[in-house]
Parts: sequence; structure tokens; C-alpha cells
Amino acid sequence: EAGVAQSPRYKIIEKRQSVAFWCNPISGHATLYWYQQILGQGPKLLIQFQNNGVVDDSQLPKDRFSAERLKGVDSTLKIQPAKLEDSAVYLCASSGRDRLSGNTIYFGEGSWLTVV
Amino acid sequence: AQSVSQHNHHVILSEAASLELGCNYSYGGTVNLFWYVQYPGQHLQLLLKYFSGDPLVKGIKGFEAEFIKSKFSFNLRKPSVQWSDTAEYFCAVNAGNFNKFYFGSGTKLNVKP
Repeated sequence: EAGVAQSPRYKIIEKRQSVAFWCNPISGHATLYWYQQILGQGPKLLIQFQNNGVVDDSQLPKDRFSAERLKGVDSTLKIQPAKLEDSAVYLCASSGRDRLSGNTIYFGEGSWLTVV
Repeated sequence: AQSVSQHNHHVILSEAASLELGCNYSYGGTVNLFWYVQYPGQHLQLLLKYFSGDPLVKGIKGFEAEFIKSKFSFNLRKPSVQWSDTAEYFCAVNAGNFNKFYFGSGTKLNVKP
């Protein structure tokens, strides 16, 4: 089974520039998450989708961050304009119901962003 | 608000020492519990999970965790650590109606050869 795919893996941009990250979740997973992980900290949820609807975006800085999940599959996360404090790893994850019971969240390899 | 607490931020052990990492959560309803591991430069990987049944769950690489409902805890253990266990460990809770996952701040484990 293919995992969560993310691109690009690494990106270096100057402050005030824009950047976009792409995510393809595990096939069949209805829930997709974008997390921000700053070095030395745990993942912080930015936005959660259920199919193509937003479940939670309470911690998304909406003045500069936007995300969409058209057709309920792939998703993009955009930052415009970027600030120095946006330097972090952006993790995409998806979850679905295991055959036995419950939900498990699976992570992609992350997109490492450095803002200079 | 739901929260997950990992009290040990940084643990240093010698090889063959025993490991126990603490995890406590605040949620009164039904929860699913997880431990994830992040090796240096790699992505978060599932170590083990608890949904129901036997509160002692075994995961990969000799790790196990015990769910103690009365203490709202899900501590991770390994009898004898190896240098290759050097990584950051995250406890996570899946709770609520909207398939939310809450993560602790992580514990960095450094195993000295």
C-alpha cells in the first residue's frame, strides 16, 4: 500500500515570497491533515479535512496560509507571504478506519521549509 | 481542551538500560492511543497503538505500552534499549467525534553506545 506522498521535500524561499506544498493521501482515507512541526516541538495541527470539507482550521493563520482539498483527494497548502517564523516541516497525514477497529493516522515524509 | 503531556523532554540512557517514557492525556471519553517515533531526518512512524482489549500492547522493535485508564496514562517501555533507538518519541491520542489527533511535545531519547 502506498503511503502519504508529499512534495517538494525541501524548499528555501525568501521572506515575503510564496510557497505551495502538495499532498496525496493514502487511497481511501477520508481525513487529511496538515501539521506544522517546528524543530524541537510536536506536530501542531493547521487544518483538518473530512473529504473536501474543513473540520478544523482554528490554528491556521488565515492571513497568510490557505489550504484546499478539491475532489476530496489531493490537497495543497499555500503560504503567502512567508515569514521567517514559518520555517518548519509541514507534515501531511491521512487517516482511515483499520480493518479491525479504530482510526490510525499516517504521515508523509514532510516538506521542509526554510525562510531566509 | 484535550491535551497530551509528555513529562520527559530529554532522556539519556546507556545501551541495555531499561526505558520508560511517560504519557498522560486529558479526555474523559473513549480514546485510541498511539506512540510514534521519529528517527533523525525521517518522518513520523507508528510504533504501536491501543484501541481496546488487553491494556498491554506490543509494538515493533521490542517496544510495549500499558494503558492505565484510571491514571489517564499510556507509558512506553522497552526492557533493553539499543543505540538505534535514538530518536524522538511522540504520544498521541485520537478522541472526539471528528477523528482528531492530539500530540504530545515529544521526548528525545539519546542512547549512548
